[in-house]
Amino acid sequence: SQQGEEDPQALSIQEGENATMNCSYKTSINNLQWYRQNSGRGLVHLILIRSNEREKHSGRLRVTLDTSKKSSSLLITASRAADTASYFCATDGGGGADGLTFGKGTHLIIQP
Amino acid sequence: GAGVSQSPSNKVTEKGKDVELRCDPISGHTALYWYRQSLGQGLEFLIYFQGNSAPDKSGLPSDRFSAERTGGSVSTLTIQRTQQEDSAVYLCASSLAWTKPQETQYFGPGTRLLVL
Repeated sequence: SQQGEEDPQALSIQEGENATMNCSYKTSINNLQWYRQNSGRGLVHLILIRSNEREKHSGRLRVTLDTSKKSSSLLITASRAADTASYFCATDGGGGADGLTFGKGTHLIIQP
Repeated sequence: GAGVSQSPSNKVTEKGKDVELRCDPISGHTALYWYRQSLGQGLEFLIYFQGNSAPDKSGLPSDRFSAERTGGSVSTLTIQRTQQEDSAVYLCASSLAWTKPQETQYFGPGTRLLVL
């Protein structure tokens, strides 16, 4: 079963606006990661937030983590056309799995 | 250095044939992972290797799937008697080591498999 569930499934915004994506998970985690995927190919790691952290920044990215609600959000500020991609959250194998457990992703479209 | 590489980029095969997918991890990375991404789905973890250690095969979808890693580097994922439901993008990733909790994984571009 999917550990992470992102919402919305799809998001379309105008260039320059901020984009917010959410992720919920079911079991306890040690960390949560966000990845980006362009055109259904390889994933690029964006940011990792540990369970004892509440917020983390990297450039135009801001990630929050609420372990009491088992949820995380990814905010992309001042969006650009190049940000168009699918975004996935991944947890470190809740339930003892040996690989990362990914959600189904949010497909983000930035309109120029 | 170079990132994770996978070959072939695309593979079209007929139902019932065997296919072999290859992954070259980042040099120095001892952990290697295989994932499968079906159309419109998230990534499904298949198997991982830490060095040359024997992998836990319980995540593989069926006994038609097997994987090996030679010399602690290159890995091959083999699918025997392919079925149409095997059509997916197969992604390989590597990391410095397999740890708990898991750290950043670096993904290859994937192999897009189509079974006709």
